[in-house]
Amino acid sequence: SQTIHQWPATLVQPVGSPLSLECTVEGTSNPNLYWYRQAAGRGLQLLFYSVGIGQISSEVPQNLSASRPQDRQFILSSKKLLLSDSGFYLCAWSVSGRDYNEQFFGPGTRLTVL
Amino acid sequence: GESVGLHLPTLSVQEGDNSIINCAYSNSASDYFIWYKQESGKGPQFIIDIRSNMDKRQGQRVTVLLNKTVKHLSLQIAATQPGDSAVYFCAGEGSARQLTFGSGTQLTVLP
Repeated sequence: SQTIHQWPATLVQPVGSPLSLECTVEGTSNPNLYWYRQAAGRGLQLLFYSVGIGQISSEVPQNLSASRPQDRQFILSSKKLLLSDSGFYLCAWSVSGRDYNEQFFGPGTRLTVL
Repeated sequence: GESVGLHLPTLSVQEGDNSIINCAYSNSASDYFIWYKQESGKGPQFIIDIRSNMDKRQGQRVTVLLNKTVKHLSLQIAATQPGDSAVYFCAGEGSARQLTFGSGTQLTVLP
């Protein structure tokens, strides 16, 4: 069966510090991968998605970047965090090549920027 | 642009009653919809999906109805239980092959 992992689960960082959140998927090959941000009491905002190694698409201009160094690894980064980067970050995966895009989510990382 | 939204931010129901959570969408090209359940501090969990060539789909205690004429879908939960308390999101997939999420409805089950 497939599983998706995210770490860390929670993170408190000062403004201006760097960020690296990691997501890995097990039990599948060549998945589509996604990073979402969820503000408190709000819906999910798609930040990045990837259909393969080294292939990253960005949905919104922002202070963050993403990389996919391996097939089942997706990393969300920032060189200098802003207060507005606080939120709940969710990684998701879906089966590539399917007609319909059911996405499976990880447990999330709660980021607080102070 | 396309949007997916929910009618009510909160919904309270008595334990044992049926719950109906509604969602509207604007993109007539959306051909696939999913309902997710998100418990506090956790990632969203898949509940049920429906394709645009269907009007209704049933799962265990849940039913999704799709009305393409008015661009509306609903999630019905039968015999609501305390464990059903969560935020429920609808999401729609359009021509861009991406999911667009609504803002969520917080369902509270009262004893």
